[in-house]
Amino acid sequence: DAGVTQSPTHLIKTRGQHVTLRCSPISGHKSVSWYQQVLGQGPQFIFQYYEKEERGRGNFPDRFSARQFPNYSSELNVNALLLGDSALYLCASSPARYGEQYFGPGTRLTVT
Amino acid sequence: AQSVAQPEDQVNVAEGNPLTVKCTYSVSGNPYLFWYVQYPNRGLQFLLKYITGDNLVKGSYGFEAEFNKSQTSFHLKKPSALVSDSALYFCAVRDGSSGGYNKLIFGAGTRLAVHP
Repeated sequence: DAGVTQSPTHLIKTRGQHVTLRCSPISGHKSVSWYQQVLGQGPQFIFQYYEKEERGRGNFPDRFSARQFPNYSSELNVNALLLGDSALYLCASSPARYGEQYFGPGTRLTVT
Repeated sequence: AQSVAQPEDQVNVAEGNPLTVKCTYSVSGNPYLFWYVQYPNRGLQFLLKYITGDNLVKGSYGFEAEFNKSQTSFHLKKPSALVSDSALYFCAVRDGSSGGYNKLIFGAGTRLAVHP
């Protein structure tokens, strides 16, 4: 079975630009969560979506937004990029609202 | 506030020896505890979890973890380390009263280096 997939793998953007990251959950999983992992740190929770509704939001500015589509895939959008947004962005899916989360390989975003 | 601490940045162990990676937590409700492993340029792989029940939890790849409520610890262990176990290990907690969403709080990670 395919695991969580994310695209693109790597991305280089300039300060002030906008970026969209995509995630496809494991088949049958209805919950998608997004995490930001800065180099040398553990992942930080950004959002959880379950059944296409936002269920939780971490301590991130409004420049960060997300949505979940009817097929349960998800997009993370970041506006007005800052250098500090450079990180590995991880998507995780779970079959239900709670439970263990299965992570994708991540998207490495570099902001210059 | 909920938090997770991994007191060791790096753990070095010889192949074949037992290994322990330490984790302590602080939550306001019942703790749901997890261990994940991250290999270079890869996402996190789920190893094991503690929700309730036996304090010794068995997981993938021969790993196990011991939950100790009085010490608020959830240390990861393996009886005999392999060189292929070398990776970055993360402990995470979800507060059982987190307000309706599946937020994991991660520690800073411990790099495990297993030497031949």
